[in-house]
Amino acid sequence: EVQLVESGGGLVQPGGSLKLSCATSGFTFSSYWMTWVRQAPGQGLEWVANIKQDGSEKNYADSVKGRFTISRDNAKNSLHLEMNSLRAEDTALYYCARSSGWTSDHWGQGTLVTVSS
Amino acid sequence: EIVLTQSPGTLSLSPGDRATLSCRASQSVTNDYLAWYQQKPGQPPRLLIDDASTRASGVPDRFSGSGSGTDFTLTISRLEPEDFAVYYCHQCSHSPLTFGQGTRLEI
Repeated sequence: EVQLVESGGGLVQPGGSLKLSCATSGFTFSSYWMTWVRQAPGQGLEWVANIKQDGSEKNYADSVKGRFTISRDNAKNSLHLEMNSLRAEDTALYYCARSSGWTSDHWGQGTLVTVSS
Repeated sequence: EIVLTQSPGTLSLSPGDRATLSCRASQSVTNDYLAWYQQKPGQPPRLLIDDASTRASGVPDRFSGSGSGTDFTLTISRLEPEDFAVYYCHQCSHSPLTFGQGTRLEI
């Protein structure tokens, strides 16, 4: 069974940093693109970033480019999102997703990031 | 960036009805890399349709996707009570990837 479990969310002040992680199991992690998607409270889905199987290609939404960094550790079957210069508008539930091609086919339950003073 | 516009914003129907949800793209979605997701409160999205018309594993055949280029449709042939949720389209052809704003399907 494919499982994705996000962690690392919490309350952070504006301008602060946070690193999210996603532990995976039940599939060959190194064979899939991986993706982060977020959802602000009561709002729709926003694609954040994705990363190729070997980490050689990364893509970002304009809203996070230059502030967020996606990375992966294929030896540990884990995905990460390092978030810097956080803003109130980054407050959201952050989902980790396995992607077949670029389509996300399995999702975790999400980890909540709140940016507030 | 490809902007996806979903209509209607809210669809009010009854169990047994047929639902037709629309997703229009601001430019052509290459290779019809368009997906549909269902999201229920407190749950992550669930993939329903991939590549515009391919049902994901375990998805009932009352769900079907169609369309190409810039106009796509999700049809639910006969609504079941568990189908009332929010539906999103998602283009996976051009970076940055984008989602539509969602259609709420309510009783």
